[in-house]
Amino acid sequence: GQNIDQPTEMTATEGAIVQINCTYQTSGFNGLFWYQQHAGEAPTFLSYNVLDGLEEKGRFSSFLSRSKGYSYLLLKELQMKDSASYLCAVRDRGNYQLIWGAGTKLIIKP
Amino acid sequence: GAVVSQHPSWVICKSGTSVKIECRSLDFQATTMFWYRQFPKQSLMLMATSNEGSKATYEQGVEKDKFLINHASLTLSTLTVTSAHPEDSSFYICSASVTQNTEAFFGQGTRLTVV
Repeated sequence: GQNIDQPTEMTATEGAIVQINCTYQTSGFNGLFWYQQHAGEAPTFLSYNVLDGLEEKGRFSSFLSRSKGYSYLLLKELQMKDSASYLCAVRDRGNYQLIWGAGTKLIIKP
Repeated sequence: GAVVSQHPSWVICKSGTSVKIECRSLDFQATTMFWYRQFPKQSLMLMATSNEGSKATYEQGVEKDKFLINHASLTLSTLTVTSAHPEDSSFYICSASVTQNTEAFFGQGTRLTVV
């Protein structure tokens, strides 16, 4: 079956670094996405990985290992506005559909 | 990035009435759009895949006669919640991709409250 796992909730301190892990088991793979979702709002795109390795974009980086079915999102220099849910999603091969994880609620403390 | 506009942002309706939600791709053509529902503190749940010019593909457990989807053009898909009940109250979100290999862009979401 299709399954995506990520921690339910994490807490970190302003200015620190946090890593949010995501493991997946899907029938096909055509890319892994990370989205940020603030409460009551729609998700916004953060990163996309289709090949193994690290993709860096400002304070956010995302890593993928296809052989391990594993990805992480790394957030540096945390700011209070980074408090949100972070959703991991895998695109199945051959179609547009995204398979979503349940999301990780990140709480930033001063 | 590409822009997807969803309207209305929020709506309150009485039980038994119908509500239409629009999803438009403003600067690209979307052959396929997706409709999601999200309950508080839960992840996105795919309801259906909306295909331009053909019938929508519904996920298991989603009533196609209750959630009517029309994708009449390459830039517009609509979701109509018919005979709404309080349990239909939720956050409804649409998304679209420019191509099969690009990220999904989301509309702003519609907060539906049925009283």
